[in-house]
Amino acid sequence: EPEVTQTPSHQVTQMGQEVILRCVPISNHLYFYWYRQILGQKVEFLVSFYNNEISEKSEIFDDQFSVERPDGSNFTLKIRSTKLEDSAMYFCASSAGQAYGYTFGSGTRLTVV
Amino acid sequence: DQQVKQNSPSLSVQEGRISILNCDYTNSMFDYFLWYKKYPAEGPTFLISISSIKDKNEDGRFTVFLNKSAKHLSLHIVPSQPGDSAVYFCAASVTNSGGSNYKLTFGKGTLLTVNP
Repeated sequence: EPEVTQTPSHQVTQMGQEVILRCVPISNHLYFYWYRQILGQKVEFLVSFYNNEISEKSEIFDDQFSVERPDGSNFTLKIRSTKLEDSAMYFCASSAGQAYGYTFGSGTRLTVV
Repeated sequence: DQQVKQNSPSLSVQEGRISILNCDYTNSMFDYFLWYKKYPAEGPTFLISISSIKDKNEDGRFTVFLNKSAKHLSLHIVPSQPGDSAVYFCAASVTNSGGSNYKLTFGKGTLLTVNP
């Protein structure tokens, strides 16, 4: 069964450092997403991406965040200057369309120290 | 603002019995609802979905019921199995003009434990 692959599985970074979280969506999917889950809280939408541009973003997705699909297969989330409160599980997801639901990756656990 | 609410943080049932997981929503614009299952250290896995034009959708042991007037949906698992033990998330979306690109609003999840 096709999978969404995320790397790394766990990243520890110092506050103020830049991090890049990587995702390889399912190859024939057209819609790409990032979500995050702070420990003990609900899964929250960050950003959706379609046709090489952001289609929607949440208030969490401020100027410190950016997304890119650099080569037609990878989909990255960059946090320019990490804060302690950015510590969370970050999930990438892709979709072929609403009727098919999403496929989520296994997540990257980001720990900012 | 909790637009999707799962008021039971946990549920425990005996193997073979029915599990009923509940979800309420406040945004009347939601027109598509999904249930996801999540094991620790894994991403959410799609289980079953329902469009607002339906009131029931069934897939094997899983049935989702939608009551639009009450803004309530539920997931029934019959019979429950120990392998069903996981966190279950209810999610909802609003179909935009494109019809396919949508964000999900999640509830906080319910931890289901199925005891052998």
